[in-house]
Amino acid sequence: AQSVAQPEDQVNVAEGNPLTVKCTYSVSGNPYLFWYVQYPNRGLQFLLKYITGDNLVKGSYGFEAEFNKSQTSFHLKKPSALVSDSALYFCAVRDSTSGTYKYIFGTGTRLKVLA
Amino acid sequence: DTGVSQNPRHKITKRGQNVTFRCDPISEHNRLYWYRQTLGQGPEFLTYFQNEAQLEKSRLLSDRFSAERPKGSFSTLEIQRTEQGDSAMYLCASSPPGPQGFSTEAFFGQGTRLTVV
Repeated sequence: AQSVAQPEDQVNVAEGNPLTVKCTYSVSGNPYLFWYVQYPNRGLQFLLKYITGDNLVKGSYGFEAEFNKSQTSFHLKKPSALVSDSALYFCAVRDSTSGTYKYIFGTGTRLKVLA
Repeated sequence: DTGVSQNPRHKITKRGQNVTFRCDPISEHNRLYWYRQTLGQGPEFLTYFQNEAQLEKSRLLSDRFSAERPKGSFSTLEIQRTEQGDSAMYLCASSPPGPQGFSTEAFFGQGTRLTVV
């Protein structure tokens, strides 16, 4: 069975500091991994994905994430946080070899960037 | 705007009534998903269509829930005899086939917020 864990309900960071939002996953096959951001009363907006290839993937708005197969992690990072990055972030996984096409989401991490 | 469109955006209904939501995916996206999201939780998978075929259904989807995607275009999600526990945001997403079978990201609509009173 697929699962995603986001161990932190909330992450606080000062504007201009680097940020990390953690995600670990569990799949029986090879994972496809995604990060989404959600602003209040809005749908989910795609940030970045890992399918294959380089472990460090770059996405929208200066975000990047590192795939670590041995630690089954896919942490989201940004070198310098902005107040406008404050939102709810979701990690998602799809098992590429199980025959399923559904995305499984974590419970979300609220990022608060303090001015 | 060529994004995923969901209607209505908000729906308030009395317990026991039936409701239907509509989702118009991005043109030429053959995959369509329905998710449910409650406050403070991540989206929970409900069902998945590839073209007009409903290929996966979550065990969360009780007999009161039904989804259709006639002709592989728009989709509807109907909830019969609504209960207060059905109050949630219902999200629709679509994705294209992807190159060589690789999965691409799903594009989400704004959601339909259902309140059952």
